[in-house]
Order: sequence, then structure tokens, then C-alpha cells
Amino acid sequence: EPEVTQTPSHQVTQMGQEVILRCVPISNHLYFYWYRQILGQKVEFLVSFYNNEISEKSEIFDDQFSVERPDGSNFTLKIRSTKLEDSAMYFCASILGGAGETQYFGPGTRLLVL
Amino acid sequence: AQSVTQPDIHITVSEGASLELRCNYSYGATPYLFWYVQSPGQGLQLLLKYFSGDTLVQGIKGFEAEFKRSQSSFNLRKPSVHWSDAAEYFCAVGASGTYKYIFGTGTRLKVLA
Repeated sequence: EPEVTQTPSHQVTQMGQEVILRCVPISNHLYFYWYRQILGQKVEFLVSFYNNEISEKSEIFDDQFSVERPDGSNFTLKIRSTKLEDSAMYFCASILGGAGETQYFGPGTRLLVL
Repeated sequence: AQSVTQPDIHITVSEGASLELRCNYSYGATPYLFWYVQSPGQGLQLLLKYFSGDTLVQGIKGFEAEFKRSQSSFNLRKPSVHWSDAAEYFCAVGASGTYKYIFGTGTRLKVLA
């Protein structure tokens, strides 16, 4: 069965550093997402991406965040200058597109900002 | 605004007992509803989903859920809980347009031997 993959599985960084989280969505999917889960809290929507542009973003997704699909297979989330509060599990997801379809989630990247 | 409420933060049941996890949603149109399970340190696994048709849906691991439009609910049930069911359970609604998910706050299930 096809699956969404994410790298790295864990990342530790210093506050103020840039990080790039990588995802490979399922190949024929058209919509891509990033979600965040702070430890012990719920999963929160960050951004959706379709047709090479952001289709929706949450208030969490400020100017420090950006997304890109550089080569038709990878989907990346960049945090320009990390803060302590960016420490969380970041999930990538993809969907073919269409009402009632299921999003496929990756295993997540656990980011720790020191 | 679209939202999902899971009123129970923690639930403890004995192994072999029945289970019901509550989920209420607020959504203007026909909702697409999902239940996911997350084991500690793990990703999200889909248990079941509803988007049309029979309001009682069957999922994996013996779980089922019933969609009740009049109550705006989508409660998850299992007739006999196993120790391996201990995990966190998230209800989610799928929004139209961008198809993003809105998650509830989760219910942490503890199973007593």
C-alpha cells in the first residue's frame, strides 16, 4: 500500500536556526498538508497546498513558515527562525482530492527546539 | 465556525468491558467524519470514517461508530476492549474546499487488566 514518508524522524535544533522538514506524499495525490501536534495536545492544521500554491493556512502559519514542492515529489515545510514553542510533532498528509476522501498521514517528524 | 469536541479527556475501562468515546461536531454542511488512533510516540492510524450512506460504520480492530445528525455526534464504540487498545483517540471532521481536517482534543484511553 502506498504511504506518506517523512524525514527526518527526529530533529533537534537551536533556537533561531532554520529547519526544513521533508515529506514525500503519495504520488498521484493532489492536495498536501502540514499539521502540528504539541506534546499532549491536539493535532492542529497548519497549511494546505494545491496546484503549487497555498490554498489555506491557519493563524499558526505565520511569516516564519513556508512550504514548497520543489520537484514534484517532495513537499517541504521550512521554519526560518525556530522558537522554543515550535517544538512539536509535525505531520504531513496528502489526499487525492474529493469529498469524503481519506487523508494519508506520514509518521511525523518530532522537532525539538532548545 | 467548524469545530470538534471530545468531552472526555481521559477514560479508564477494564479489559473486556465495552467502550464509547464521544465526539460532537459543529459544521454547516454534511460532515465527513473520521476517527484516528495514536499510540504513544506514533503517528495517526485511521480507524473508520463516515461520509454518506449507512450511519453505522465499521472500522478496523473491531471499532464502530454511529453518525447521528440530530445530535451532531459521531461516537466511537467497541463491545469488548483489549489491553492493546490503550491509546489516544482523535475525532476529526473534514472540511469542504481544501479538505483539511479539524481535530478534537482527543481522548486518552487507559485499559485496566
